Amino acid sequence: DGGITQSPKYLFRKEGQNVTLSCEQNLNHDAMYWYRQDPGQGLRLIYYSQIVNDFQKGDIAEGYSVSREKKESFPLTVTSAQKNPTAFYLCASTGVEGRNQPQHFGDGTRLSIL
Amino acid sequence: GQQLNQSPQSMFIQEGEDVSMNCTSSSIFNTWLWYKQDPGEGPVLLIALYKAGELTSNGRLTAQFGITRKDSFLNISASIPSDVGIYFCAGQLVASNTGKLIFGQGTTLQVKP
Repeated sequence: DGGITQSPKYLFRKEGQNVTLSCEQNLNHDAMYWYRQDPGQGLRLIYYSQIVNDFQKGDIAEGYSVSREKKESFPLTVTSAQKNPTAFYLCASTGVEGRNQPQHFGDGTRLSIL
Repeated sequence: GQQLNQSPQSMFIQEGEDVSMNCTSSSIFNTWLWYKQDPGEGPVLLIALYKAGELTSNGRLTAQFGITRKDSFLNISASIPSDVGIYFCAGQLVASNTGKLIFGQGTTLQVKP
């Protein structure tokens, strides 16, 4: 089945540690996005990428980093600089450079602090 | 960043009742999307709207793209327990060519059997 796979489902981070969240899609979508979701809030954009080897900061990029070495993969690293990383992280993708195409989401990764 | 004004924030209704929620903005959008999110899962697309005035149905769900292009509503008729979840509106600005979406804060729906 075509879709977006995020892993792991749950992740725990120690103080001073970097952790990487995986996002893989087999929909042949060009654009991919990372969102952060906190309770009672909408989704906030962290980073997005419209094409391989290129990505842009979203609204809350500080403390995060990404790479886009392959079309189907867009991993997110939560660095030790992110002081409040506890949240639900969602990855999304869309085709045709994202114009007028709805984004489809993975099932998320819940990150917590140990 | 920008956000859409989504209301109501939460609703607690009786099974069988109709539900209405809406999103408004001061900006003009060329696309409106409505998603539903179950606990611990990612949002699932319910309805996509691409033209001002467009009215689209998906089973018991109906959504409309406002004429002014600054608002949208979602109606759910004859609610059932599985309608429980968080409903998000999302819009793509006219000036955007990146596919970036702006999300409302969500409407939490609870249905009493």
